[in-house]
Amino acid sequence: EDQVTQSPEALRLQEGESSSLNCSYTVSGLRGLFWYRQDPGKGPEFLFTLYSAGEEKEKERLKATLTKKESFLHITAPKPEDSATYLCAVASGSARQLTFGSGTQLTVLP
Amino acid sequence: ETGVTQTPRHLVMGMTNKKSLKCEQHLGHNAMYWYKQSAKKPLELMFVYNFKEQTENNSVPSRFSPECPNSSHLFLHLHTLQPEDSALYLCASSQQRNDNEQFFGPGTRLTVL
Repeated sequence: EDQVTQSPEALRLQEGESSSLNCSYTVSGLRGLFWYRQDPGKGPEFLFTLYSAGEEKEKERLKATLTKKESFLHITAPKPEDSATYLCAVASGSARQLTFGSGTQLTVLP
Repeated sequence: ETGVTQTPRHLVMGMTNKKSLKCEQHLGHNAMYWYKQSAKKPLELMFVYNFKEQTENNSVPSRFSPECPNSSHLFLHLHTLQPEDSALYLCASSQQRNDNEQFFGPGTRLTVL
């Protein structure tokens, strides 16, 4: 059974204070790892897909990396508008659906 | 309208009511999904439709009844719900069933009294 664990559950940063969110996973045959951003009262917004260990993707202040056991979402010099819940999900060869983690709630203080 | 839309955005219903949630995608996708999101819990997949055909039902109670009349529209019919069914119900779509890059609607916040 695929499993996804995100840490920390909540993270408070000062504006400009860089940090990383963690997504640890256990799957049989990774087909893809996905990062989403979810604002309060809204649906998840797709950010990145990573397919293989060593792959990296960037978008503005966000950078996602992937190893064989975990993914990191690095946030460089965050701004208050980066405050949101960040969700990680995996798709495996054995499962026909995405398995989501519980998310990390990020708050960036001005 | 662009992307995935859902109506209503908020719904309050009694345990004996019957209501329906509507989802429409304007992305030309062929697969559509219903998810349930409860506080502090991971998204739970409920139903999957591919080219209007239901391909998965993740042991969802029969008080939830999905309907997919075409590849652009998806409904979730609700009847005799329980208070624990209160949650955010999200609709998503993807190009194909095996394409895991899913695009989500804003959700319907459901409260069952």
